[in-house]
Amino acid sequence: DAEITQSPRHKITETGRQVTLACHQTWNHNNMFWYRQDLGHGLRLIHYSYGVHDTNKGEVSDGYSVSRSNTEDLPLTLESAASSQTSVYFCASRGQGNTGELFFGEGSRLTVL
Amino acid sequence: GQQVMQIPQYQHVQEGEDFTTYCNSSTTLSNIQWYKQRPGGHPVFLIQLVKSGEVKKQKRLTFQFGEAKKNSSLHITATQTTDVGTYFCAGIELYNFNKFYFGSGTKLNVKP
Repeated sequence: DAEITQSPRHKITETGRQVTLACHQTWNHNNMFWYRQDLGHGLRLIHYSYGVHDTNKGEVSDGYSVSRSNTEDLPLTLESAASSQTSVYFCASRGQGNTGELFFGEGSRLTVL
Repeated sequence: GQQVMQIPQYQHVQEGEDFTTYCNSSTTLSNIQWYKQRPGGHPVFLIQLVKSGEVKKQKRLTFQFGEAKKNSSLHITATQTTDVGTYFCAGIELYNFNKFYFGSGTKLNVKP
């Protein structure tokens, strides 16, 4: 079965370190997204991609970057982790068309000390 | 910018009581989707509403899309403990089908 997987599921890091969260999907979806989830804020979009070599900033993109070198993967990098980036991160993918739903990964819980 | 407001933020009900969550968008939407997130889990798609005034049912869940395509509601009849979780609406922008605007979610707790 097609799926979307994230790794690591849990990570603790220190302020200032670079962190990369991996996201891999096997649906061959062009559209991929990264969200962060914090209490009281719901899901906020960090970055998204509509295809290989395409990346776009979402509403909370400062301090994050993504790259899309193939269809399956959209890694999220925190260049210099800050305590404000402690959160649960969800990757999602979606097929083409105007009515497809988002398929979410299981999430990556990141703690920045 | 475009926003989707969702209320209430929390709802505690006794098992068997009904539950409703509401979403309102500042602008007209193309369509709206609903997701459920169990505690410790990830959001899972429930349903999509596309047409103005549309009503869809899934067993005890009833979803409505307003006539102006700016508001939506999810109603659960006779809640069960399996309904526990956070329910999110996601409005899809009129001219960009990849622009999702999530409500902040309603966390439902059901007491047995």
